[in-house]
Amino acid sequence: DAGITQSPRHKVTETGTPVTLRCHQTENHRYMYWYRQDPGHGLRLIHYSYGVKDTDKGEVSDGYSVSRSKTEDFLLTLESATSSQTSVYFCAISGGLSLRETQYFGPGTRLLVL
Amino acid sequence: AQKITQTQPGMFVQEKEAVTLDCTYDTSDQSYGLFWYKQPSSGEMIFLIYQGSYDEQNATEGRYSLNFQKARKSANLVISASQLGDSAMYFCAMREPSGAGGTSYGKLTFGQGTILTVHP
Repeated sequence: DAGITQSPRHKVTETGTPVTLRCHQTENHRYMYWYRQDPGHGLRLIHYSYGVKDTDKGEVSDGYSVSRSKTEDFLLTLESATSSQTSVYFCAISGGLSLRETQYFGPGTRLLVL
Repeated sequence: AQKITQTQPGMFVQEKEAVTLDCTYDTSDQSYGLFWYKQPSSGEMIFLIYQGSYDEQNATEGRYSLNFQKARKSANLVISASQLGDSAMYFCAMREPSGAGGTSYGKLTFGQGTILTVHP
């Protein structure tokens, strides 16, 4: 199994509070991704990183920011959480960009915003 | 526009029978990759099988095979000899080129998923 951990695994927070989710990998992979999973939508890309300090937006990036100061860590921040950000968040990593390069996923973080 | 469509919200199959999970996709690229992932009730995402758009053979991995029909833009997952442990959500996903002409950086676009229930 790919060495990917996410923390916390579960979090309950209140509307308007900042929240940071952490993804940590031990594979030294260059590419990292944050997705959110919601019923009826599958997984949707929030942000991704193609190197240290190199990040870009995905399709559902509003209300989220990311940072990557080290190869192994990719942080997702909800600056001011809203109830619409209640979701399951997955981090994924990839070693390359070839079409057949598999993305491996972390265990997920369940976030509930009250 | 939806790029990956899984039209079956739920499927039921009898243990030891085969089942096909549908996936259609939309892309203007000639080169792309198609993936299937399994998500059991425990929540993790497990990679099952990959099919490249230029692969001449349909992909197979143990009991999983991919019925790839490029002209119809479909990539259906076939699970043979279903087991109780196959009960899970299944996602189809597509990766488009990330080369000089593309900036997708390996992103995956997912379908909505199909919940498979295997009955004993």
